[in-house]
Amino acid sequence: GESVGLHLPTLSVQEGDNSIINCAYSNSASDYFIWYKQESGKGPQFIIDIRSNMDKRQGQRVTVLLNKTVKHLSLQIAATQPGDSAVYFCAENPNAGGTSYGKLTFGQGTILTVHP
Amino acid sequence: GAGVSQSPSNKVTEKGKDVELRCDPISGHTALYWYRQRLGQGLEFLIYFQGNSAPDKSGLPSDRFSAERTGESVSTLTIQRTQQEDSAVYLCASSLGVVYGQYFGPGTRLTVT
Repeated sequence: GESVGLHLPTLSVQEGDNSIINCAYSNSASDYFIWYKQESGKGPQFIIDIRSNMDKRQGQRVTVLLNKTVKHLSLQIAATQPGDSAVYFCAENPNAGGTSYGKLTFGQGTILTVHP
Repeated sequence: GAGVSQSPSNKVTEKGKDVELRCDPISGHTALYWYRQRLGQGLEFLIYFQGNSAPDKSGLPSDRFSAERTGESVSTLTIQRTQQEDSAVYLCASSLGVVYGQYFGPGTRLTVT
């Protein structure tokens, strides 16, 4: 079946380094992707989204890259801070403009640990 | 402004009891979603509501699960005859519409003993 998955379950970085979290998706019909950050005991926090008509989108200290050819999504965090430590999920909306509205499919998550 | 709120934050119940979980979406958000998150895992879609359209219930795991929404406001997720495998965090999200980013509440942690 269709799925969204992450290459690396854990990532440890030093404060100030750049972090890259990767995600592979298998549904070629997906046209909308979101990255979420989830801290312990809290709900997922929206970070950034990207639609399939784009290959890059930037936010504050974060950049999402989309490679539709290889169905790969990445989240880059610049100058990573201890407060960035959390689980990061990519999510896929398989038919944002079709008939399966709203059914985000989440990956398993990557644990990011930032060491001071 | 106020985000998505959920209540209770924690619920412990005995196997076989019914539970009701509540979600208050962000004002003005027409779409509302329920997800389940088991320990250490990603989120599983359960159901979503969009305006006055019929809800998409395709993610509900059994007929013990049901949800209602009043207009474009509060939603309740009801689990009847709870089982231990229902133990999880139940998350609610809302969005301006189905093609917009979903914003999540803090979740309700349900423990069935």
